[in-house]
Amino acid sequence: GAVVSQHPSRVICKSGTSVKIECRSLDFQATTMFWYRQFPKQSLMLMATSNEGSKATYEQGVEKDKFLINHASLTLSTLTVTSAHPEDSSFYICSPFRNTEAFFGQGTRLTVV
Amino acid sequence: KQEVTQIPAALSVPEGENLVLNCSFTDSAIYNLQWFRQDPGKGLTSLLLIQSSQREQTSGRLNASLDKSSGRSTLYIAASQPGDSATYLCAAIQAAGKFQFGAGTQVVVTP
Repeated sequence: GAVVSQHPSRVICKSGTSVKIECRSLDFQATTMFWYRQFPKQSLMLMATSNEGSKATYEQGVEKDKFLINHASLTLSTLTVTSAHPEDSSFYICSPFRNTEAFFGQGTRLTVV
Repeated sequence: KQEVTQIPAALSVPEGENLVLNCSFTDSAIYNLQWFRQDPGKGLTSLLLIQSSQREQTSGRLNASLDKSSGRSTLYIAASQPGDSATYLCAAIQAAGKFQFGAGTQVVVTP
């Protein structure tokens, strides 16, 4: 159990465009979804926390209008990077949470050119 | 605010040697502590989860200890193999699944 599907695994986009990253919990329902990002040679940093059906809570320094999070169901959450710029190039990982345990997607490598 | 530090940042050992990876955290009020492996460009693979009431966990060649009072955890990998080359992350788990990660230790095991 506890299978998490995150895609795309890699995406290259032009500066100024938007990119949507999808995260699905395939065999369980996630009441909470965490989104992390990881810059090269750095640790994973929490970006935002979302609960199904409610607005996401963003960590300090993360622009909520730039990183749109939708958690419409207990098995699906999306992160949309709007008007992407090269500094948004990073590795994004979702983490659905169930009961007392968190699971992790395989990550999305975003490169903005 | 919880801060997690991993030392060393990088480590290179010959095959067969034991690995000792250190993790320290500033706030001892954690729920659990978890060790992960991350291969280049890939996601996280969970290695060991130590609950706050436990002192250690073992899985095969891996053993992780936890000392909450001193804010430390250590991951031991016995008889290292080239396939153990990866970055190892520790994470302090706080309320409701929120993880605070260390920056990782990059391990290279040479044949």
